[in-house]
Amino acid sequence: QVQLQESGPGLVKPSETLSLTCSVSGGSIGNYYWTWIRQPPGKGPEWIGYVHSIGSDNYQSTNYNPSLEGRVSMSVDPTKNQISLKLSSVTAADTAVYFCARQPAGDWLYDIWGRGMLVIVSS
Amino acid sequence: QSVLTQPPSASGSPGQSVTISCTGSGSDLPNYNFVSWYRQYPGKAPQLIIYDVTQRPSGVPDRFSGSRSDNTASLTVSGLQAEDEADYYCSSYAGRNNYVVFGGGTKLTVL
Repeated sequence: QVQLQESGPGLVKPSETLSLTCSVSGGSIGNYYWTWIRQPPGKGPEWIGYVHSIGSDNYQSTNYNPSLEGRVSMSVDPTKNQISLKLSSVTAADTAVYFCARQPAGDWLYDIWGRGMLVIVSS
Repeated sequence: QSVLTQPPSASGSPGQSVTISCTGSGSDLPNYNFVSWYRQYPGKAPQLIIYDVTQRPSGVPDRFSGSRSDNTASLTVSGLQAEDEADYYCSSYAGRNNYVVFGGGTKLTVL
């Protein structure tokens, strides 16, 4: 059974870069779009974007929420079965629970989610 | 600010049916068959319960059903049970720039 686990610092200072890793166990990274979604406390989820690894040369396709464009980047490491998220120049508004989730190719749904990780932006 | 609009709360007694609405704009929900619903218990990750407007993943009881009319999608929970008490979120593919939007969530209370 495929499982996802987010990891990284739970506290980030304003203006710094938030870096999280999602480890995939029990399955392969191929044929899926790997998505990051965040949820501010007491609010609905917000789609951050996805990364998709294509072919044996690991060409990576990404797509990000326009509201975060310029601050966000994602990548996949198929050799480690890991997906990474970087969000730069963070502010208190970036405080949220960050989830990684699996999206099957050809559809827009998230069938497997990690448990989520609370990241607080504070000095 | 959520792009899809959901009522903040809904409630029903055990055995009853309740419907939760999700209203979009002209650029998302009405245009694509990629509406999904998620159930979330406190402190847990969301769980997919409906996808592609009406489809149920394996393991989700048929008490859960989805539909859509014009720019409003709906989730109906029939035969309410205590375990249905949770937050429910709708989601839709939004087309432009290939991104996804969520609703603000509806807290379902089983009386």
